[in-house]
Amino acid sequence: DADVTQTPRNRITKTGKRIMLECSQTKGHDRMYWYRQDPGLGLRLIYYSFDVKDINKGEISDGYSVSRQAQAKFSLSLESAIPNQTALYFCATSGTTGAYNEQFFGPGTRLTVL
Amino acid sequence: RKEVEQDPGPFNVPEGATVAFNCTYSNSASQSFFWYRQDCRKEPKLLMSVYSSGNEDGRFTAQLNRASQYISLLIRDSKLSDSATYLCVVNQGGKLIFGQGTELSVKP
Repeated sequence: DADVTQTPRNRITKTGKRIMLECSQTKGHDRMYWYRQDPGLGLRLIYYSFDVKDINKGEISDGYSVSRQAQAKFSLSLESAIPNQTALYFCATSGTTGAYNEQFFGPGTRLTVL
Repeated sequence: RKEVEQDPGPFNVPEGATVAFNCTYSNSASQSFFWYRQDCRKEPKLLMSVYSSGNEDGRFTAQLNRASQYISLLIRDSKLSDSATYLCVVNQGGKLIFGQGTELSVKP
């Protein structure tokens, strides 16, 4: 079974709808992240959480919110989806020991907002 | 200016070629450095960390020059399976900052 899972894997929705993307991990990591990827722009950090009680904005948090329900779960919400939020969304996790922590990514959620 | 910049590519090379990717970063306080590989819109996966002394893993060699804020990746004897996008990544306070990626296509 995959260590980092994301649901749904694909979603098509309409402008103005509320959408939740979910991420679960079995790696026992404290740190979790949400990124979006757009062609030519690489991955950009939306929100991150270093433990259950910690939530931080990333580079592009406007229009998004998150919830860290447990160590293993980190969900991303789009309160009112708009077309320029069409992108590939990745969740990632990492441990806390040292600067060379590898981040492990989920398989991604492809979101289309019409 | 982007925090992490890479050659955009694409790089089209024949099998067996040696190819080098370059990357620069703007924040001198960056703590650690990585190359990730991403296949065809799948999730990125760690290829190798980049240490100050330079490091090698088989056909892959990574170099870091902190004074110039420059990172490189050298791939020797390219294989068809090396075709992917290579992401230069910098750690700033536990957050990873990604370059836009360099696409590599290895042809028979």
